[in-house]
Amino acid sequence: KNEVEQSPQNLTAQEGEFITINCSYSVGISALHWLQQHPGGGIVSLFMLSSGKKKHGRLIATINIQEKHSSLHITASHPRDSAVYICAVTGRWASGSRLTFGEGTQLTVNP
Amino acid sequence: NAGVTQTPKFQVLKTGQSMTLQCAQDMNHEYMSWYRQDPGMGLRLIHYSVGAGITDQGEVPNGYNVSRSTTEDFPLRLLSAAPSQTSVYFCASRPGQGARGYTFGSGTRLTVV
Repeated sequence: KNEVEQSPQNLTAQEGEFITINCSYSVGISALHWLQQHPGGGIVSLFMLSSGKKKHGRLIATINIQEKHSSLHITASHPRDSAVYICAVTGRWASGSRLTFGEGTQLTVNP
Repeated sequence: NAGVTQTPKFQVLKTGQSMTLQCAQDMNHEYMSWYRQDPGMGLRLIHYSVGAGITDQGEVPNGYNVSRSTTEDFPLRLLSAAPSQTSVYFCASRPGQGARGYTFGSGTRLTVV
């Protein structure tokens, strides 16, 4: 079993829909990251969080440390949100430079 | 522009050849790391560094060497390329303190024939 599990693996939505991507992890962590990988391959960091909730534009990330679970929400989805979303964690006792990744969620938003 | 610069973007090697993938950042980030991305495997950590002169192995270090002589540069060396090293390689950096996330390079697509 992977240390970081994402669901769903693939997600297709219609423009305007509210989207949720889930991430569960099995180790104690010091931080969780949400990344976005564009169709062209570039990777962008969306959020780094260790507790609570963060919001940036239409994106919201939450984390529940006790349940070892995080969610990424996209409100009013748009075709430009189509990308792979990747959850990654830094283990509590690991160097802050180490990341363990989920396999990603492929999101397609249709107009 | 501030960021992480990876070169080259594309490379084809013959089995047994050696080469160095370059990674440079101009943000004074302490942490730097190298990842490879393979279909169905996701991203995996090769080597990482928490500062100049300090490096350590990740999940898949075999066949790769790194050094960190300066804060800015973190090159990845393939000692004797093998077809199993065909992959897309990403370098990333982040500050050692604070809640700032990672900045990734644009990637190097390597094919070993």
